[in-house]
Amino acid sequence: RKEVEQDPGPFNVPEGATVAFNCTYSNSASQSFFWYRQDCRKEPKLLMSVYSSGNEDGRFTAQLNRASQYISLLIRDSKLSDSATYLCVVFSGGYNKLIFGAGTRLAVHP
Amino acid sequence: EAQVTQNPRYLITVTGKKLTVTCSQNMNHEYMSWYRQDPGLGLRQIYYSMNVEVTDKGDVPEGYKVSRKEKRNFPLILESPSPNQTSLYFCASSLRGGLAGNTGELFFGEGSRLTVL
Repeated sequence: RKEVEQDPGPFNVPEGATVAFNCTYSNSASQSFFWYRQDCRKEPKLLMSVYSSGNEDGRFTAQLNRASQYISLLIRDSKLSDSATYLCVVFSGGYNKLIFGAGTRLAVHP
Repeated sequence: EAQVTQNPRYLITVTGKKLTVTCSQNMNHEYMSWYRQDPGLGLRQIYYSMNVEVTDKGDVPEGYKVSRKEKRNFPLILESPSPNQTSLYFCASSLRGGLAGNTGELFFGEGSRLTVL
């Protein structure tokens, strides 16, 4: 079983739609959680951290459910520029490193 | 401009011909790491370095070597490349590594696409 699992997609949505991605992690001792964005053929970049109480950054909302060991990312009012792959990332204190999911691809169309 | 620079960006080589991918950062970061990215597998850590002269294996270190003689540089060496090392490679850095310094923000280079024939 992979340590961090994501639905690979692709999620094909029209502009203006709301879309949600989930990610599950296997290590219950995981301590910190993040979403990265990766454009096609480019390097990953930090999108946002995920806090226990949930957090928002503009159109993006991240939530954490420790009991069920999953993280979610909600994107409201999707834009064409949101088309990218979204990577779920977990910091595992036990392994002392960031562990990356394989990513969920989002395609927003006009 | 703060950045992580990798070279070469693209390389086609043949089995067994030693090669080095350079990585340099100008942010005075202590932590540096190499990843490879393959379809469906995500980013997998090859080697990392917590500071100068401190390196350690990641998840997939076989066939690779690294060194950290200076803070800014962290080259990845393939002594005898094989076709299964064909991949997209990323170097990354952060201010510090480990739990004490981990903010989750890794700064990545633009990637090096390597093909081994």
